[in-house]
Parts: sequence; C-alpha cells; structure tokens
Amino acid sequence: NAGVTQTPKFRILKIGQSMTLQCTQDMNHNYMYWYRQDPGMGLKLIYYSVGAGITDKGEVPNGYNVSRSTTEDFPLRLELAAPSQTSVYFCASSLRQGGVSDTQYFGPGTRLTVL
Amino acid sequence: GNSVTQMEGPVTLSEEAFLTINCTYTATGYPSLFWYVQYPGEGLQLLLKATKADDKGSNKGFEATYRKETTSFHLEKGSVQVSDSAVYFCALSDRGRSGGSNYKLTFGKGTLLTVNP
Repeated sequence: NAGVTQTPKFRILKIGQSMTLQCTQDMNHNYMYWYRQDPGMGLKLIYYSVGAGITDKGEVPNGYNVSRSTTEDFPLRLELAAPSQTSVYFCASSLRQGGVSDTQYFGPGTRLTVL
Repeated sequence: GNSVTQMEGPVTLSEEAFLTINCTYTATGYPSLFWYVQYPGEGLQLLLKATKADDKGSNKGFEATYRKETTSFHLEKGSVQVSDSAVYFCALSDRGRSGGSNYKLTFGKGTLLTVNP
C-alpha cells in the first residue's frame, strides 16, 4: 500500500493564479481531510469528507474548494491564490468504524508559496 | 469548544536524557487523545493514543497516560535518542455523549524536540 499520496511536493504560485492539490489514498478509507500547517502552529482543518459525494467545511475553508467523486481521491482547489495561503498542506484519511476512535493517516505534504 | 495546549518549545536534550512534553486539553464530550510525530520533511504519523480515562498509550519507548482528573496527556520517554528529533503534536478527537466519534482532530501547536549526541 502506498497509503496517502499528495502531488505536487512543492509549488510556487503568483497572486491570483489557480491550482489543484491532488490527494489519493489506497486504503479504502471513507473519511478524508485537508489541513494547512503554518509555521509554529498546529494543523488547521480546511475541509473534510465522510464519503464520496459528501464534503463539509472545517475551521478555515475560505479561499478553497473540494470535491470527492471517488473514495480514493480528494482534490483541494485554490481559485485565486493569495499570499495568506502560503503554507504546507496535508491530506489525511481515516477509516470510521462505529464509535471507535480513528487514527488519521497523513500524506507527505505540499509546500505552497504564493508570491 | 475543544482545545489542546502543549508546552512551548523548542526542547533540546542530550542523548539518553529523560523527556516530558506536557499536554492539557479542554473538551466538551469524552475525548480520545493522541500524540502524533512529524519527522523533518515528512507528514504526521501516529505515535500513540488512548481512548478512555486511565488508559496508557505506548510505542517506541514513549508513553502517555490519559488523566481525566487533570485533563492531561503528557508524553514521556526515559531515554531519548538522536533519531527522536522531531515535532510532537498532541491532539484530541471528541466523542459525543452518545459515544460516537466526531472524527475531527484538534491539534496543539506542536513541540520541536532536538536531541544532541
């Protein structure tokens, strides 16, 4: 199993450009998440999905969009990049099993710089 | 709302020293508690977890005990190695009163640990 994979690893955008961060998991997990990590801060949840076709906002959704057309893929879209979106982005997934606490599995991250 | 507070870093230790990283939490339900570790240039990975009061999570020589009375989940290791150098995150997942997990993690800000030979 590859686990959670993310592409690209690094990207530099100009203000106003758009891009999609790709995330794929091969563990048949139903839950997927996008986080951003700013220097010296914990992770903030951007969006999450509880299954194909179902997404919802997290703490910091402004400026981002997501879709979940398949169980495996959960792309994050930035429409009009702004310097405030400079961050490291992590995708994660977990398998929800009843009331048992879930372990989230993280991808290696995408480092995005907006200039 | 939920929150996690962990000790400010950075923490610098010599090899074989004892490690404690403090973590306290505020939660509205019945949280599960986690420690995640992030090695340089990598994503987070689960180090250990505890799902109910008095549970002890352990892995790779690290331990943490879920203390409901003090709302704490401090991370300890008796003898650190250079390879333990990483950022450590305390996190919680809050279960509602019905017992179901709300599946969202609340993270602390992270503590950078550097272990020197």
